[in-house]
Amino acid sequence: SQELEQSPQSLIVQEGKNLTINCTSSKTLYGLYWYKQKYGEGLIFLMMLQKGGEEKSHEKITAKLDEKKQQSSLHITASQPSHAGIYLCGADLRTGFQKLVFGTGTRLLVSP
Amino acid sequence: KAGVTQTPRYLIKTRGQQVTLSCSPISGHRSVSWYQQTPGQGLQFLFEYFSETQRNKGNFPGRFSGRQFSNSRSEMNVSTLELGDSALYLCASSPAGPGSGGYTFGSGTRLTVV
Repeated sequence: SQELEQSPQSLIVQEGKNLTINCTSSKTLYGLYWYKQKYGEGLIFLMMLQKGGEEKSHEKITAKLDEKKQQSSLHITASQPSHAGIYLCGADLRTGFQKLVFGTGTRLLVSP
Repeated sequence: KAGVTQTPRYLIKTRGQQVTLSCSPISGHRSVSWYQQTPGQGLQFLFEYFSETQRNKGNFPGRFSGRQFSNSRSEMNVSTLELGDSALYLCASSPAGPGSGGYTFGSGTRLTVV
């Protein structure tokens, strides 16, 4: 089973609407990273969260790490076509050799 | 400040051949990690190097290997290529040692095995 679950798997929203992507872990998150990826390209770093209850914002994107450090959410306000892509959460779970464990990703499409 | 540079961007190889991919980290970054991304498995951790030493290794066969040079540049090698090795290979660099966070990814190398 996947250590890091992302939901939803895909999302189509109308331009201007808000949306939320969730990332849930069965283990404590020691560091949670959000990345955006255009198809076939590299990952663009969005935000890193480490402390329970932490919240960070950049432009219209806000990410939160819950108090128990097992879930994070990414919220986009007033979505734009430029927000389209695949959003990936990566977690430092401190489980053996793994450095970052990634979720399966959320594919976002923004319709005009 | 230059980002993480991966070369080549695209590669087509035949089954049984071997391939070497290169990753130049951000200047000053000493840790380099490699990941394989496929539609079926998503992003899977291959290995991490720090100060020319492999510190962590993922669950991949011995055909996958890597190394890091004194200037922190890293290479990964895949021998006896199989069709299933077709994937986007991504490397990420970070400033300090394992677990320090701050991973910056390159644009990746798209490997196609035919």
